[in-house]
Amino acid sequence: DADVTQTPRNRITKTGKRIMLECSQTKGHDRMYWYRQDPGLGLQLIYYSFDVKDINKGEISDGYSVSRQAQAKFSLSLESAIPNQTALYFCATSDPGAGAGDGELFFGEGSRLTVL
Amino acid sequence: GENVEQHPSTLSVQEGDSAVIKCTYSDSASNYFPWYKQELGKRPQLIIDIRSNVGEKKDQRIAVTLNKTAKHFSLHITETQPEDSAVYFCAASFYGQNFVFGPGTRLSVLP
Repeated sequence: DADVTQTPRNRITKTGKRIMLECSQTKGHDRMYWYRQDPGLGLQLIYYSFDVKDINKGEISDGYSVSRQAQAKFSLSLESAIPNQTALYFCATSDPGAGAGDGELFFGEGSRLTVL
Repeated sequence: GENVEQHPSTLSVQEGDSAVIKCTYSDSASNYFPWYKQELGKRPQLIIDIRSNVGEKKDQRIAVTLNKTAKHFSLHITETQPEDSAVYFCAASFYGQNFVFGPGTRLSVLP
């Protein structure tokens, strides 16, 4: 089945370290997103990309950067991790032209990051 | 920008009863409103959505209503079952761009 895959699934790191979370998809979707989930705060958009040459900031982009290496790959980097970036991170894809509403979001399984 | 509020934050119902979760949004340009269900330890998944040109949509035990004038929309689950226990998120967007999510409602269905 076509899917959205995130690596690593779990990561513990120390303050100041550089971390990269990777996302790859076999759905053939152009749109890709990175969300952060904290308890009681829902899903907050970090960055999104509508095609390989398009990168846009979301609600909480400070402290994060992204790279869209190909249609199928979208990576999230924390240049210098800090403890309040401890959270569950989700990658998602969508294809508004697929007929599923105005673009159902298909989420990966999540990457749990702990910054000590 | 868009802001989405969601109430209640937690909801407990007896099995077989109905559950209602309400969301309000701030940007009148938003025209697509999906609901996602996230079971414990799992990824969020779409359960139902509604566009702004429709007032109500039903899918078996689940329904969503939209009041554009008041800028609020609600999720209704009837005949609740234990497998309905999860966190539910509402969201608002403009043509599927920039989804803004509510903070979530944790629904517990008690046997």
